[in-house]
Amino acid sequence: DSGVTQTPKHLITATGQRVTLRCSPRSGDLSVYWYQQSLDQGLQFLIQYYNGEERAKGNILERFSAQQFPDLHSELNLSSLELGDSALYFCASSESRDTSFTGELFFGEGSRLTVL
Amino acid sequence: DAKTTQPNSMESNEEEPVHLPCNHSTISGTDYIHWYRQLPSQGPEYVIHGLTSNVNNRMASLAIAEDRKSSTLILHRATLRDAAVYYCILIEGYTDKLIFGTGTRLQVFP
Repeated sequence: DSGVTQTPKHLITATGQRVTLRCSPRSGDLSVYWYQQSLDQGLQFLIQYYNGEERAKGNILERFSAQQFPDLHSELNLSSLELGDSALYFCASSESRDTSFTGELFFGEGSRLTVL
Repeated sequence: DAKTTQPNSMESNEEEPVHLPCNHSTISGTDYIHWYRQLPSQGPEYVIHGLTSNVNNRMASLAIAEDRKSSTLILHRATLRDAAVYYCILIEGYTDKLIFGTGTRLQVFP
């Protein structure tokens, strides 16, 4: 158990819909990361927040948005869903802002999104 | 972002050492080398990381070439639980983006 909690574990929805994925980081961790893992694309970095502020951005679509709240939990909002958005979405957390130095990200078990 | 190249798959027998190679010929001076692994149906798990010197921890060792253009993750005694996809990742200092490649799928046979 990494200490990172993601909900829901599974979600099935239709094209055009909007969903919200939630992540609770490990206690005390200030950084939250979102990743998308699909069969054909592997693990794709989406976005990172540190203590409520956006810190790094990856290949996140304009239809997707995220935020980190004062209690440090984070939400990833996916809108106008397409079939290709079906994937596992992972959240990870770390205690520091500069994970390059400290090294360790703790990943949750993921939220599996299926778009029909 | 600097890229890494890893073999698609490797095999090992249980209790034998495993050397997982990674090439990163375009590495820059501020890039850290990180290794993660992903077991089936789980999120990635941190293994080890380093900058220039070789590193050891309870899970593995990381050997970094002198020119830093390649590195090797060493599992000293493979177990069945080590069967996973191993990712070699470069992180530029101060940017903090972990960019995963395709990784190496390690199979361990009893």
